[in-house]
Amino acid sequence: DAGVIQSPRHEVTEMGQEVTLRCKPISGHNSLFWYRQTMMRGLELLIYFNNNVPIDDSGMPEDRFSAKMPNASFSTLKIQPSEPRDSAVYFCASTTARGVSGNTIYFGEGSWLTVV
Amino acid sequence: GQSLEQPSEVTAVEGAIVQINCTYQTSGFYGLSWYQQHDGGAPTFLSYNALDGLEETGRFSSFLSRSDSYGYLLLQELQMKDSASYFCAGGDTGGGNKLTFGTGTQLKVEL
Repeated sequence: DAGVIQSPRHEVTEMGQEVTLRCKPISGHNSLFWYRQTMMRGLELLIYFNNNVPIDDSGMPEDRFSAKMPNASFSTLKIQPSEPRDSAVYFCASTTARGVSGNTIYFGEGSWLTVV
Repeated sequence: GQSLEQPSEVTAVEGAIVQINCTYQTSGFYGLSWYQQHDGGAPTFLSYNALDGLEETGRFSSFLSRSDSYGYLLLQELQMKDSASYFCAGGDTGGGNKLTFGTGTQLKVEL
């Protein structure tokens, strides 16, 4: 079975440019998460969706960040305009409803973003 | 909200047993999970405790005490490949499937 698929795997962009990260969750999973990981702040939950609906976006750092989930098999995280402090690994993760496997969530391989 | 604290680094020798602790402060706690992350890789699920007590999965065991807001991951018969970062993560009763991750512990296994 295919896992969570993210693209691009690596991106280097100039400050001020728009960045779009993409995610395809595992088929049948109804929850999708976007996490950001840095050395300083660890793994931070940015936003998560249940059944394509954003449930909690309190972790989104500022208005430059936005996320969408137009259907059950696709989500995007957009940064516009990007800044050097946005450089991080962005992980997408998905899971089924709690009760089947506890709190197990499945991560993609991450998108490594560098803003110069 | 939740916060989960772990030691930043632990070092042990191959073949030994190591315990990685996790203390948490939370409202609406729903269970404790453990994830492993190798350098450059993605976090992968190791273990989950919904109730107090010990859960064993091969060389790895995880323990939870809700009354003490405390859990730990126990790794036995350490191997070099166990060198990685380990994260505890708390589920939230009010947040659907939301998981908040701990600060992470880097485990170094030496010969």
